[in-house]
Amino acid sequence: SSDLTQDPAVSVALGQTVTITCQGDSLRSYFASWFQQKPGHAPKLVMYDENSRPSGIPIRFSGSSSGDTASLTIAGAQADDEADYYCNSRDNSGRHLFGGGTKLTVL
Amino acid sequence: QVQLVQSRAEVKKPGASVKVSCQAPGYILSELTIHWVRQAPGKGLEWMGGFDPEEGGEIVYSQKFQGRFTMTEDTSTDTQYMELSSLRSGDTAMYWCATGHNWDDPFDVWGPGTLVTVAA
Repeated sequence: SSDLTQDPAVSVALGQTVTITCQGDSLRSYFASWFQQKPGHAPKLVMYDENSRPSGIPIRFSGSSSGDTASLTIAGAQADDEADYYCNSRDNSGRHLFGGGTKLTVL
Repeated sequence: QVQLVQSRAEVKKPGASVKVSCQAPGYILSELTIHWVRQAPGKGLEWMGGFDPEEGGEIVYSQKFQGRFTMTEDTSTDTQYMELSSLRSGDTAMYWCATGHNWDDPFDVWGPGTLVTVAA
């Protein structure tokens, strides 16, 4: 299957740590990228190549992968981290795909 | 850093086609990997297709949109276009062009998006 599966919603208490996961067969061969999207805005890249942060992304964001699962961890979640998060990868045919998205609520 | 510019919002009737443009001022667009991504209201992101300059300008389409979705390029104006035909209400969405350095690179630059509304 070329699908990427994410939990629809996750919540975290302010200042606590939360992990968002993305599962799919393609992740056994290709790294995931992670995007943060806030209402009315274009997606913003927050993680790529397993654990690389683009310039300007806080160090509290980290990534990892194991087998068919990629994970995005936010250590010490802030109110500003409340957003939708999408994973993205490619499959063996070269086609890219997105996970269904995870709505993160910071309580 | 490259910036992407897209055409303005469109309103189309069911059955019509829409063409959205993407430009990268100061860059030769045909040398950039360009992807098209859409998002219907309240829904997730969907990759529609992309242009890979390193594979002889190969265009790869998502199977979901193959047959209805076409990517073209006008080298005289350095503009890339996406065209979606046989529009239906479910095609109402924000459409973005986005770029990564190479095909496998992350989409690190996104255009502002073009809202396409399909309504009778």
